[in-house]
Amino acid sequence: DTAVSQTPKYLVTQMGNDKSIKCEQNLGHDTMYWYKQDSKKFLKIMFSYNNKELIINETVPNRFSPKSPDKAHLNLHINSLELGDSAVYFCASSQQPPSSYEQYFGPGTRLTVT
Amino acid sequence: QKEVEQDPGPLSVPEGAIVSLNCTYSNSAFQYFMWYRQYSRKGPELLMYTYSSGNKEDGRFTAQVDKSSKYISLFIRDSQPSDSATYLCAMREWGGSEKLVFGKGTKLTVNP
Repeated sequence: DTAVSQTPKYLVTQMGNDKSIKCEQNLGHDTMYWYKQDSKKFLKIMFSYNNKELIINETVPNRFSPKSPDKAHLNLHINSLELGDSAVYFCASSQQPPSSYEQYFGPGTRLTVT
Repeated sequence: QKEVEQDPGPLSVPEGAIVSLNCTYSNSAFQYFMWYRQYSRKGPELLMYTYSSGNKEDGRFTAQVDKSSKYISLFIRDSQPSDSATYLCAMREWGGSEKLVFGKGTKLTVNP
């Protein structure tokens, strides 16, 4: 019955590797997001998709590439991982605006780059 | 100046205390104001939402927005140990970019 799920929950990898994080929501929402939460707990939006269309693309290195195969899934691929990419990555979903203030977050993926 | 400022704390109070959490912001276009609660090693969850200025009450929680001062507050009455979490304020403009802008969060511990 998980509303927003992410895999994996933990990811430990070396600098320079490429990795993917997957997200799925079963709430029937049209909009999905990726957020990054750094070590100081600051939560910042990275991307947003509405019905598989990219609508928010914050200033994020182009090593990060989101992909939405359908409106229930939003994956995040990261190339050439760097130490500074270590953080917790949250996926979220919401109904379309103006109800997009209520976002449902997944449990997070804790990425550690060594 | 960051768009949303929030004192990260930590804040430690005894059970039963009244807790006041605050955020200030600089973007006058913000119209939607939210409080999210995040337990340790979990994703944030929406606690309260208000639109424009005024107060909103939900059980032990009261959200207050003062747009003239660009200041929002969350009050928790009769605080419980289960309220121990990080509280993040978030804001959004009307129309335009639909993104939420979060404060850094205030870590609250309620001691039994």
